[in-house]
Amino acid sequence: AQSVTQLDSHVSVSEGTPVLLRCNYSSSYSPSLFWYVQHPNKGLQLLLKYTSAATLVKGINGFEAEFKKSETSFHLTKPSAHMSDAAEYFCVVRLVNDMRFGAGTRLTVKP
Amino acid sequence: NAGVMQNPRHLVRRRGQEARLRCSPMKGHSHVYWYRQLPEEGLKFMVYLQKENIIDESGMPKERFSAEFPKEGPSILRIQQVVRGDSAAYFCASSRTGPRTEAFFGQGTRLTVV
Repeated sequence: AQSVTQLDSHVSVSEGTPVLLRCNYSSSYSPSLFWYVQHPNKGLQLLLKYTSAATLVKGINGFEAEFKKSETSFHLTKPSAHMSDAAEYFCVVRLVNDMRFGAGTRLTVKP
Repeated sequence: NAGVMQNPRHLVRRRGQEARLRCSPMKGHSHVYWYRQLPEEGLKFMVYLQKENIIDESGMPKERFSAEFPKEGPSILRIQQVVRGDSAAYFCASSRTGPRTEAFFGQGTRLTVV
């Protein structure tokens, strides 16, 4: 069975400070992992994906994530938060016939 | 190449009516996923379909909910005899075949039951 745990339901940072959104997964097989972002009243947009190539993955809008197999983690980071980053972020694990979402982390950015 | 199209974007139904939500996947995509997002909650998996087949419906409520993805036409999520608790945003995603492919999401249908 596979599952995804997002360790923080809500993260609040100040504009210009680093962002860390944590995600741990469990999977019997080598998974593909994704981060999606959902802005208020909008659909979901793919931020980045890991598919067994480089363990450090760069995405859009300055975000990146590092796959750490030993820690079963795929944390999302950004060096400097922008007001427009305020949104809901979802970590997703995918196998052949399955795609599971974490519960989501709401990122708030304070001016 | 249009993205995943969901319609309607907003749907209002009275209690007891039927709601039909449509999802047209991206061109070349044969996998469709439906998710429900309740207010202030995350996305919950409902059902995964390939053309003409339901692969995984473990997230679907046992009654009143059904889904199909016919050979021709969009995928349909059908909710019979809607209740207030069905009010939510319903998102559809589609993907190509293969474990490494990402899913693309529609804008969602916001169902309000009055």
